Amino acid sequence: GIQVEQSPPDLILQEGANSTLRCNFSDSVNNLQWFHQNPWGQLINLFYIPSGTKQNGRLSATTVATERYSLLYISSSQTTDSGVYFCAVNFGNEKLTFGTGTRLTIIP
Amino acid sequence: DSGVTQTPKHLITATGQRVTLRCSPRSGDLSVYWYQQSLDQGLQFLIQYYNGEERAKGNILERFSAQQFPDLHSELNLSSLELGDSALYFCASGGQGDTEAFFGQGTRLTVV
Repeated sequence: GIQVEQSPPDLILQEGANSTLRCNFSDSVNNLQWFHQNPWGQLINLFYIPSGTKQNGRLSATTVATERYSLLYISSSQTTDSGVYFCAVNFGNEKLTFGTGTRLTIIP
Repeated sequence: DSGVTQTPKHLITATGQRVTLRCSPRSGDLSVYWYQQSLDQGLQFLIQYYNGEERAKGNILERFSAQQFPDLHSELNLSSLELGDSALYFCASGGQGDTEAFFGQGTRLTVV
């Protein structure tokens, strides 16, 4: 069946470190989004990136649709980056299928 | 601010009761999606409405129903509540075709 897998499931880093989060998906996609769920539960849009590379400040993302994966890079981590990062994919039926998330903890 | 408004933010109710969650989509968006986030099931799609009509159904229980009104706001009705219905319920708008989806702040439902 259609699957979205994220790795690693958990990541603990010192403030200032860099990280790479991965999202693998099982089929061709119409849309791929990255979200940050903060400790209050809000889902914050990070990137809308069905293909290619985008950057926003310390964050950047790359999706290689032909190889069915996407990467989220976080540089110079801050404690406010803590939370759960979700990859969500639209496989052509408009609804989003979410991965299980990567829980990121940044230690001061 | 995503532009999607959900009320209430928190809801505590007893088993067997019925509740209604409300969502107002972003201005101009015709689609509304409902998602449930529980500890054991993760984030799962429940149902989609587009311009007042049901467009797609996911893992929505028969005890749950939704509708979208002419002004495009949507309501999710949860009845005969069980302890396992405790979850964070999100509404999203946009997303039709290849467009970006935006999520509301969620309603945290606790069934006691």
